[in-house]
Amino acid sequence: AQSVTQLDSQVPVFEEAPVELRCNYSSSVSVYLFWYVQYPNQGLQLLLKYLSGSTLVESINGFEAEFNKSQTSFHLRKPSVHISDTAEYFCAVHFNKFYFGSGTKLNVKP
Amino acid sequence: GAVVSQHPSRVICKSGTSVKIECRSLDFQATTMFWYRQFPKQSLMLMATSNEGSKATYEQGVEKDKFLINHASLTLSTLTVTSAHPEDSSFYICSASRTGGMDQPQHFGDGTRLSIL
Repeated sequence: AQSVTQLDSQVPVFEEAPVELRCNYSSSVSVYLFWYVQYPNQGLQLLLKYLSGSTLVESINGFEAEFNKSQTSFHLRKPSVHISDTAEYFCAVHFNKFYFGSGTKLNVKP
Repeated sequence: GAVVSQHPSRVICKSGTSVKIECRSLDFQATTMFWYRQFPKQSLMLMATSNEGSKATYEQGVEKDKFLINHASLTLSTLTVTSAHPEDSSFYICSASRTGGMDQPQHFGDGTRLSIL
């Protein structure tokens, strides 16, 4: 069975500091990987995805994630966060259907 | 573009009541819509996948007679929680996809917080 683990339920960080949100998945077959973001009082929005090709994928707002097959990870990183990045981030795996992690709340403090 | 509207955003009702939740794709046609349920501090769990004009496909453990799904048009899917009980209280989220394929992103509604007293 597929599963997605986001070990950190909350990550507090100061503005302009780097951040990494961890995501590990369990699968013995190829999967597709996604990060979604949910801002307060809004629905989930696709942030970035890995389907194939380069293992490093980037979003338009400075986030990046690297697919690591040997470690079955897809951690999300940003070198310098802004207050506006405060949101909940969900990692997801697609294998026949979507499997979501439990989410990580990123709280960026001034 | 690609806006999904989910209504109502919050509902509180008595045990035994049936509750209908609507999911509309406002500016695109959605061949496939998905319904998720999220418990506090847990993952979104897929409940069912609905394709326009056909019966929904339910995930294992989801009672299809309890959670009625209708996808009668390319812009509207509804989830009806029949004879709701306190254990049905949860956050329900829909998403819509143009084709349901991997190459097409899912666009999510804002969710419905259901509280059964």
